[in-house]
Amino acid sequence: EPEVTQTPSHQVTQMGQEVILRCVPISNHLYFYWYRQILGQKVEFLVSFYNNEISEKSEIFDDQFSVERPDGSNFTLKIRSTKLEDSAMYFCASSEGGRETSTDTQYFGPGTRLTVL
Amino acid sequence: AQKITQTQPGMFVQEKEAVTLDCTYDTSDQSYGLFWYKQPSSGEMIFLIYQGSYDEQNATEGRYSLNFQKARKSANLVISASQLGDSAMYFCAMREVDTYGQNFVFGPGTRLSVLP
Repeated sequence: EPEVTQTPSHQVTQMGQEVILRCVPISNHLYFYWYRQILGQKVEFLVSFYNNEISEKSEIFDDQFSVERPDGSNFTLKIRSTKLEDSAMYFCASSEGGRETSTDTQYFGPGTRLTVL
Repeated sequence: AQKITQTQPGMFVQEKEAVTLDCTYDTSDQSYGLFWYKQPSSGEMIFLIYQGSYDEQNATEGRYSLNFQKARKSANLVISASQLGDSAMYFCAMREVDTYGQNFVFGPGTRLSVLP
């Protein structure tokens, strides 16, 4: 069964460093998403991406964040200058598409745990 | 304002018994989707079940069923015949699609513990 994959599973970085989190969405899916979950808290939407551009983003997704689909399979989240409060689990998700439908199920990857020291 | 409310931060259930996890939502849209995800201690998010706002029948997927009461804006998850492996966090989520785009929000979650 096709699944979303994410690498690395755990990333440790120093405050102020740049990190890139990688995701491979399900191959026939058109919508891609990033979420984060600070330990013990709820899942928060960061950004959605469709047709090679950001379609929606939350208040959390400020100028230090960026997303890219550098090739036909990868979808990346870059954090330019990490802060302690960026420590969280970051989930990538993908869905078949359908901006016009509410029935679009999102399938999540296993997550990348980011620890900022 | 909270879009998704899960009033039970933690629940206990005896193995083989059924359990209901509550979820209420707030939306003014006519078209929306409701989802439940399971997050075991390993951290991944597993899709369980989906209910569309126009669906007349309650969704079922194996041991999972969704008790959808549209007028009350509730979408409770029922797990029948609980198993030890059901111990996890359970998140209710809603997808709205309006003229401004799509919005996918999660509730705070309910931690379910299945007792042997």
